[in-house]
Amino acid sequence: EDKVVQSPLSLVVHEGDTVTLNCSYEVTNFRSLLWYKQEKKAPTFLFMLTSSGIEKKSGRLSSILDKKELFSILNITATQTGDSAIYLCAARGYGGSQGNLIFGKGTKLSVKP
Amino acid sequence: DSGVTQTPKHLITATGQRVTLRCSPRSGDLSVYWYQQSLDQGLQFLIQYYNGEERAKGNILERFSAQQFPDLHSELNLSSLELGDSALYFCASSVAGGTGANVLTFGAGSRLTVL
Repeated sequence: EDKVVQSPLSLVVHEGDTVTLNCSYEVTNFRSLLWYKQEKKAPTFLFMLTSSGIEKKSGRLSSILDKKELFSILNITATQTGDSAIYLCAARGYGGSQGNLIFGKGTKLSVKP
Repeated sequence: DSGVTQTPKHLITATGQRVTLRCSPRSGDLSVYWYQQSLDQGLQFLIQYYNGEERAKGNILERFSAQQFPDLHSELNLSSLELGDSALYFCASSVAGGTGANVLTFGAGSRLTVL
């Protein structure tokens, strides 16, 4: 059965800290891995990764995929209170019933001032 | 605003009742997905429609059904409601159907409370 496992489930840090969120996956005919940020309601898209070893970066956030070891990490540097959210990782297989995102349960990040 | 519109935002109803959740996808998107999010289960895929046709089915109960209309909006019907159906229901849309590389854009969700 396809699955996505995120760790840790929750994390409390102070402003300025650097955090690393982990995501491992087992998905048939893997195609892509996506990271979303969920603050109050709707998950908002952060990154989509399809190739191993290529870092995607947006400001203080970056992410990388390892297709051999079946995992991805999301790094946030110099954290701010506005980074407090649930970070969701999702993996997708290719085509048909596997063409839909399988989500992990998320990592709840709390950034204290 | 993500461009995906869901109504209603909140809904409170009783066990045994039936409700309909509505979703309008982002302009230009042909695919609509429904997800259920509960505290202990995370985001669970229910069903996907592409250009009016069912494309994929996930963990959707028989008491639930959905459809996508010619104008591409979608409705999720939940019947014989049980306490355990209380959750946040998300609709998401994407341009294509199943290439595996689409980004889903989520609506703000409909929070259903069953008393």
